[in-house]
Amino acid sequence: GENVEQHPSTLSVQEGDSAVIKCTYSDSASNYFPWYKQELGKRPQLIIDIRSNVGEKKDQRIAVTLNKTAKHFSLHITETQPEDSAVYFCAATPSRDNFNKFYFGSGTKLNVKP
Amino acid sequence: DVKVTQSSRYLVKRTGEKVFLECVQDMDHENMFWYRQDPGLGLRLIYFSYDVKMKEKGDIPEGYSVSREKKERFSLILESASTNQTSMYLCASSRRGGGSGNTIYFGEGSWLTVV
Repeated sequence: GENVEQHPSTLSVQEGDSAVIKCTYSDSASNYFPWYKQELGKRPQLIIDIRSNVGEKKDQRIAVTLNKTAKHFSLHITETQPEDSAVYFCAATPSRDNFNKFYFGSGTKLNVKP
Repeated sequence: DVKVTQSSRYLVKRTGEKVFLECVQDMDHENMFWYRQDPGLGLRLIYFSYDVKMKEKGDIPEGYSVSREKKERFSLILESASTNQTSMYLCASSRRGGGSGNTIYFGEGSWLTVV
């Protein structure tokens, strides 16, 4: 099955700085890559996603890039704010898997210091 | 707005008890999932179901079973709870269609403590 690795496990940045979280995947059949944000005590919620036919997608301060050849994708948060502090998960779904099976990374705990 | 509801947010059970965790979704999703979340280990798939009465093992099915008698409801069963099953359990649902952008929606989570 698919194996998704996520780095770093923890990330501490100063408010206003940028944060980058990186994920790699193993299955070349994966073609959908969502990112989830989980605030303390709450459910993971989708913040941005990208399909394999696109190299980059941006939504205000958040962007995701995908390198299919290298099998890695990254989340970029610019001008970080304290409310960005949370655990972020990346995921990959293989196109052959009609069950929409999601393979998640181990998570990155982002701490934005005011 | 998609709603995935887990019936119990916090439970304390004794070792050896049978535990039921219930999950209901209101979006007519074909797929439903149970994940376990532990610090540093991310989200690990226990079981998933792609249709009524259909189920597939995930990565860590040992000690768990599931039931899906109705499309909207997916239950996780711990036949004989053990202390190493103390964890946060997340239910989720999605539409069918691999890699098509049908994303997964999570419930609020159930915190289970086995003493």
